[in-house]
Amino acid sequence: SQKIEQNSEALNIQEGKTATLTCNYTNYSPAYLQWYRQDPGRGPVFLLLIRENEKEKRKERLKVTFDTTLKQSLFHITASQPADSATYLCALVLWSGNTPLVFGKGTRLSVIA
Amino acid sequence: NAGVTQTPKFQVLKTGQSMTLQCAQDMNHEYMSWYRQDPGMGLRLIHYSVGAGITDQGEVPNGYNVSRSTTEDFPLRLLSAAPSQTSVYFCASSYGLEGGSGNEQFFGPGTRLTVL
Repeated sequence: SQKIEQNSEALNIQEGKTATLTCNYTNYSPAYLQWYRQDPGRGPVFLLLIRENEKEKRKERLKVTFDTTLKQSLFHITASQPADSATYLCALVLWSGNTPLVFGKGTRLSVIA
Repeated sequence: NAGVTQTPKFQVLKTGQSMTLQCAQDMNHEYMSWYRQDPGMGLRLIHYSVGAGITDQGEVPNGYNVSRSTTEDFPLRLLSAAPSQTSVYFCASSYGLEGGSGNEQFFGPGTRLTVL
């Protein structure tokens, strides 16, 4: 069956450390992988997109990797801050089908000062 | 730009009632979609539209209807509300997802619906 999984429901780290979130998928062939941030009571906000033929993408303190052999994406936040505390969602953009975008359940990150 | 707007923000219905959740965007996006978000379930696609006059079902379409008469608006209708439809509903739009174009989704602020 098709699955998209984010490694943990919740992750606590200390301020200044690097947070690493994992997104794994099974039986999908995505064209792209996207990462979103969601704060409590709000809609998700787009952060980064990485294409299937790209290994790594960076934006300020954020870095995303995409390994289509392992079927995995890693999302890193370096020098984390309490303001980075939020839920982070990965999403697969599929080439076709009636669900063109499939979301993981999210990982709730808490950065402790 | 207002982006994606949704109304109402909160709604309480009784079982069997019907209602329409409104969604509008002012970015001239072709692609619009409705998701529901439940604890432990993540975002699940209900219906989507790739342009005015074109709609299609997503993962969980039962109990919901949509129409797209203009590029800007994409209302979601609950035909006969059930407690299982208690959820937070998000509308989203983008330039398109055909052929895996990967365009970012812009989400509205959500509607929190409770069905008693």
